[in-house]
Parts: sequence; C-alpha cells; structure tokens
Amino acid sequence: DAGVIQSPRHEVTEMGQEVTLRCKPISGHNSLFWYRQTMMRGLELLIYFNNNVPIDDSGMPEDRFSAKMPNASFSTLKIQPSEPRDSAVYFCASRRAEGNSPLHFGNGTRLTVT
Amino acid sequence: DQQVKQNSPSLSVQEGRISILNCDYTNSMFDYFLWYKKYPAEGPTFLISISSIKDKNEDGRFTVFLNKSAKHLSLHIVPSQPGDSAVYFCAASDSGAGSYQLTFGKGTKLSVIP
Repeated sequence: DAGVIQSPRHEVTEMGQEVTLRCKPISGHNSLFWYRQTMMRGLELLIYFNNNVPIDDSGMPEDRFSAKMPNASFSTLKIQPSEPRDSAVYFCASRRAEGNSPLHFGNGTRLTVT
Repeated sequence: DQQVKQNSPSLSVQEGRISILNCDYTNSMFDYFLWYKKYPAEGPTFLISISSIKDKNEDGRFTVFLNKSAKHLSLHIVPSQPGDSAVYFCAASDSGAGSYQLTFGKGTKLSVIP
C-alpha cells in the first residue's frame, strides 16, 4: 500500500502565479479530502469528494481556489492567482466511505507564496 | 469559533511515565472521536478512535477516555516512549450528518524526555 501521494512536497512561488497541487489517493478509497494547515487556524477542511463528485466545498476560502477530481486516482487543488496569505501546508487525505473508517493523510505540500 | 479545543499547546513527560493529552468539544452532535499523531514533515496518522456509545477504548499503550457530559476526551499513553514525541491532534465528527467531515483541534506537542 503506497499511501496517499502528494506532489510537489514543496512549492515556492511569487504572488499572482498559478499553483497546482496534486494528490493520488489510496487505491480503493472513494472519498478524498483537501485540508490546509496554518499556525493560526490549525487543520481546516477545504473540500471533499465522494466517488469523484465534490460534496462540500464550503471550506474553500475564495474563488481563487478550485479543486477537481477527474477520476478515482487523481485530484488537484489549484490556486489562481496565489497570494502570500495562501502560504500553508496543504494535505490530501482519503478513506473508504464505509462506517467510520479513518482518514489516511499524505505527507502534504508546503506552499510558500512570496 | 473552535468546536474542538486542545488547550495545552505542549506537554513534556519523562520516559516511562504516563502522558495525558486533553481535548474539549462544544458541538453536542459530535459522536465519533479520533486521535491522530503527526511527526514533522509527515501527514497525520490515525492512532485510536472512540464512538460516543463507549467511554473507553484501549489499544496497547494507548487509551482514549470519553466523558460525554463534560464534552471532554483524553488520550493516555503509558508507558511513554521517546518515539511518542510528536504532535497529537484530536478530531471529531457528526456521523449522523451523513458525511465524514472531521473537525480538528490545533494539536498538542508531546515531548518524551529519555
């Protein structure tokens, strides 16, 4: 089991640039979540998908943020244009949508916007 | 408004002694609780969980206690080992809502001193 794979591990970009974060969930997991971690707010849920369909995106901070899941093995989180306040660690997580099976997290992407 | 609170940002414990990490919640609809452990530069990993129908769940050195009337849960680690040094996150969900949105606390950094 390869676990949840995120890329890149680190991203440094200038304000105004487009940023795309990528995630490959664990095979067989049909729910996928994007979280953001900051010192001030801790771990916040941005959006989650069930069977590739976005269910709740109420945590997405602004229209600059968008997420897609074109198939069961790939998801992207895009920020366009990026701003310094978007600097954070972004985690992707997946789970089987059965009962209370736990979330499995990737190792995150540390985003720095200068 | 934080629905899940971990009021101690850090905790230091001597190796071999008991570590007690605390968590309070405000949402009475929460009925499933989890603890995650996080090492630097890695994603959170699931540690132990408890349903609101129980007041205790044990897994090896780790025990979670739930006090529903006080809206409080705690994680006990005994005996503590240096490898337990990590950030511990408490999380909660309302399984009746039909989703699996975890609300996380901000974490407690545990340091186990050899």
